[in-house]
Amino acid sequence: DTEVTQTPKHLVMGMTNKKSLKCEQHMGHRAMYWYKQKAKKPPELMFVYSYEKLSINESVPSRFSPECPNSSLLNLHLHALQPEDSALYLCASSQDPLNRPTNKRDTQYFGPGTRLTVL
Amino acid sequence: SQQGEEDPQALSIQEGENATMNCSYKTSINNLQWYRQNSGRGLVHLILIRSNEREKHSGRLRVTLDTSKKSSSLLITASRAADTASYFCATDLGDNDMRFGAGTRLTVKP
Repeated sequence: DTEVTQTPKHLVMGMTNKKSLKCEQHMGHRAMYWYKQKAKKPPELMFVYSYEKLSINESVPSRFSPECPNSSLLNLHLHALQPEDSALYLCASSQDPLNRPTNKRDTQYFGPGTRLTVL
Repeated sequence: SQQGEEDPQALSIQEGENATMNCSYKTSINNLQWYRQNSGRGLVHLILIRSNEREKHSGRLRVTLDTSKKSSSLLITASRAADTASYFCATDLGDNDMRFGAGTRLTVKP
């Protein structure tokens, strides 16, 4: 299984809603990532989890709350979002980040994304 | 924050022609990767080149890396209409920190 899955594919929510995005991989990867991508722009790194611990938080507003309940799952909890948060949210994973020399870093495998619209 | 700059921003060619995209970056890297993205979809990994490598091939793809100039290029030979997509370079800064360039939108006309 070399796939990263994301649910839902599409999400429309109001500014007062609470929703969650989910990401799952069964490749034994120990690093997982959330990216945000606006139309015609590159993905922007939001969060990185390494061995289920948050290792990078790119100054993301607190209305985005990541969670890594186990090595296969990554969630992004959404609350009180703004219309400008509408974007494609991409999840990715990569292999064991700690037991490899940095010049042997492996590729990141991306899920298909969740298209989020905030009304 | 964005790390790389890519040029051109958009490229339109005829099927069968070669397409070359360039990527420049600012800081030291562990490796550089190229990804393809079809409209509104997830990213597909194409090729990874490590900082101690200068050139790499994969099928119709050829990637070069010049660490002294902090630049990389992606060449797609004998392009096909199915190659139409956005292409991004991504630099691995270490500690799971990967940054994407602005991307090149490639259109291959049949």
